[in-house]
Amino acid sequence: AQSVTQLGSHVSVSEGALVLLRCNYSSSVPPYLFWYVQYPNQGLQLLLKYTSAATLVKGINGFEAEFKKSETSFHLTKPSAHMSDAAEYFCAVMGYNKLIFGAGTRLAVHP
Amino acid sequence: KAGVTQTPRYLIKTRGQQVTLSCSPISGHRSVSWYQQTPGQGLQFLFEYFSETQRNKGNFPGRFSGRQFSNSRSEMNVSTLELGDSALYLCASSLEQGSSYEQYFGPGTRLTVT
Repeated sequence: AQSVTQLGSHVSVSEGALVLLRCNYSSSVPPYLFWYVQYPNQGLQLLLKYTSAATLVKGINGFEAEFKKSETSFHLTKPSAHMSDAAEYFCAVMGYNKLIFGAGTRLAVHP
Repeated sequence: KAGVTQTPRYLIKTRGQQVTLSCSPISGHRSVSWYQQTPGQGLQFLFEYFSETQRNKGNFPGRFSGRQFSNSRSEMNVSTLELGDSALYLCASSLEQGSSYEQYFGPGTRLTVT
């Protein structure tokens, strides 16, 4: 069975600092992996997806993620945090035509 | 191109009532999935529809049902509402059915059961 684990339910960074949100997956087949962001009172917005074409995936808003098969990880990074990045971030793996989500990481950005 | 739309955005119902939520997918998208989001259980898959047929179902009781119309619009219904059904219900559409197709989400319907 496929699953996703997000390490750290809350992450706090200073504006301008590196953002690193951790995600580890479990999958018996080559996975399709996704990162979504959710702002308050909104739905989920797709940040990026991994589909085996390249291990380093670039997404919107300056985010990127690197697929590491040896570590079963798909961590999300952004070189310089902005106040507008404060939101909840979800890592997900595609199961049988359904998304299986991690518990989410709430990112706080302080001045 | 317009995104996924969901109506209504907010709903308050009483325990024991039933409710119907509506979802219009992105134009040209044929697959619609529904998810429930709660603080305790997180994001959980409810069901997926493609070509007016339910293709996949999550681990929810039979009180939760849905359907898809020929124009790909979808509805979900919850009968005999319980307090625990209070949640944000999210609809997502994708171009086709299949694991490689990304899902795009609507803003959700916030259901409160009192």
